[in-house]
Formats: sequence, C-alpha cells, structure tokens
Amino acid sequence: DSGVTQTPKHLITATGQRVTLRCSPRSGDLSVYWYQQSLDQGLQFLIQYYNGEERAKGNILERFSAQQFPDLHSELNLSSLELGDSALYFCASSVSGTTDTQYFGPGTRLTVL
Amino acid sequence: QKEVEQDPGPLSVPEGAIVSLNCTYSNSAFQYFMWYRQYSRKGPELLMYTYSSGNKEDGRFTAQVDKSSKYISLFIRDSQPSDSATYLCAMVYNNNDMRFGAGTRLTVKP
Repeated sequence: DSGVTQTPKHLITATGQRVTLRCSPRSGDLSVYWYQQSLDQGLQFLIQYYNGEERAKGNILERFSAQQFPDLHSELNLSSLELGDSALYFCASSVSGTTDTQYFGPGTRLTVL
Repeated sequence: QKEVEQDPGPLSVPEGAIVSLNCTYSNSAFQYFMWYRQYSRKGPELLMYTYSSGNKEDGRFTAQVDKSSKYISLFIRDSQPSDSATYLCAMVYNNNDMRFGAGTRLTVKP
C-alpha cells in the first residue's frame, strides 16, 4: 500500500459526459501527478501540482483539467468524454516538486461507452 | 523515434534465472532513471532510481546506467514467481518532466 488513495476504483460513463477523479496524496507529500495508462499509449504524464500550484504539464488534452486543493487532495476533471479516453488514470505523489520518488495510487479505471 | 524504447516482451523465464530488462533513450538531457514494477490491476511501484552512470544494487535487483550509450538495465537475480509483473523504465529531465517506457511483461515460471 503506497499511501496514495484514489476514488472511485471504477467508473463507467457515456460519450459526451463529464467525470471527476479524486486523489489523496501520502501524508506529508506536497506534489500530486496525474497519469493516463492505456494499452496503445502506455503510461503518459498528464499534469503535476505542487502545493496547490500547477508545476508541469504533459500530454493533457484541453478537455481535461485538474486542481489541487488547500488540503492537498487533487481532482482530475474529464469532460466531453470520447471512447478513446477509456483508460486507467493514476495519481502519484511525492514530497517535493521533483519526480525522483513518486508513489502511485491504485488507479481509477474509466470506461467510456 | 520514441524518446524511450523498451521491448514489451513478453519475457518468460524459469524460477532462479537471472533476468535482464533494458531501455534505450534518445534524449541526453535525462537526469534521473527509474524502474517501476506494476502488478496486474495495480499502480506502478518504484523499485529503484539512480542519477549517475554505473551500478546500483538493492537486494536481488541491480540497476545499471550507461549514459554514454543511452542505455539502462535492470537485472533480477534468483528470480521468483512473485517477480512476475510488468517492469517500466522511467526517465526525468528538467526535474519534473517524466517519460516512461512501454513496459516489459515478465513471467517467472515455478
């Protein structure tokens, strides 16, 4: 158990809908990262927040957005969902803003029908 | 050409074998190198990280980095069935830009 929690575990929704994924980092960690893992694209970095501020952006679509709240939990919002958005979404956390020691959560499996 | 290349396997070995997993990369700006293990339906788990050329050992695992050849390896000695998982290499530059390999699926047969 990494200490990172993610909810929900599974999410099934329809195209065009909007969903919110939630992540709570390990106690003491200030950075939260979001990743998408699909069979054809592998693990892709989406975005990083550090202590409430956006720190780095990866391959995140404009339909996706994230935020980190004062209690350091983070939410990833996915809108206008498409079939291709079906994937595992992982959250990871680390103490600092660098990425050498990230700890991953169990993931949320999103299925878009 | 992808920034990080990793043979997806699958790789199947008998219990007790030495396993060699490899990644090559094209971006010489990568600063940190990591190996993650991912069991089916679980999140990746950090196994080892290093930032310099050479070897780093932790129990049955040895991570090797050759920056001149842009090549990293993970060796697993005395492999166990519990080592069966997907192994992902990862690399970082600019302190927070991370790239992953595709992952190699390993099966260790009893």
